Amino acid sequence: DAKTTQPNSMESNEEEPVHLPCNHSTISGTDYIHWYRQLPSQGPEYVIHGLTSNVNNRMASLAIAEDRKSSTLILHRATLRDAAVYYCILRDSINNAGNMLTFGGGTRLMVKP
Amino acid sequence: KAGVTQTPRYLIKTRGQQVTLSCSPISGHRSVSWYQQTPGQGLQFLFEYFSETQRNKGNFPGRFSGRQFSNSRSEMNVSTLELGDSALYLCASSLTLPPDTQYFGPGTRLTVL
Repeated sequence: DAKTTQPNSMESNEEEPVHLPCNHSTISGTDYIHWYRQLPSQGPEYVIHGLTSNVNNRMASLAIAEDRKSSTLILHRATLRDAAVYYCILRDSINNAGNMLTFGGGTRLMVKP
Repeated sequence: KAGVTQTPRYLIKTRGQQVTLSCSPISGHRSVSWYQQTPGQGLQFLFEYFSETQRNKGNFPGRFSGRQFSNSRSEMNVSTLELGDSALYLCASSLTLPPDTQYFGPGTRLTVL
């Protein structure tokens, strides 16, 4: 699987936007970019995913670079409940590698009141 | 719809014992995956089952095994427990074949003394 690189940690103020970067320079044409997050004492939860175009849902937005070598998860107004570890994961849609997720270290987001 | 449930939530065992963990997927989901989470290694994939068949297996010793029943419920077993097996064991279910969103349970915290 292609690898992703994320900063170990980031800090944000409550109610401000947060941009969480992810580099994936070896991404293949069939890899989807997925984001999951893990709140304290919980299992990971799905946030958003995309292939080439920017995506929006009720939780966040995903901005994908034109060359697809990087992406950014955007939380429009961070709340204290958004404090979590955010994982950027590449998933091959063609090679049928199963539903397994390959987690990296993720970014620990701290939100200050 | 009820989420993924895992039992027990907490477990304490001693070295050399064996343990069985249980996972009930979301109703209708046919794919179940297991992950181990430790502070040192992060989240690592153990195995995935779909329709009672193991589809993928992670890089873990043979002491780790699993199975899936006809109702999609899954169990994982660890024999001859070692101190290093202390971890949070997470189960995730998906509706169908990949690349499908994974829904995680709260995990079982295993402590090996």
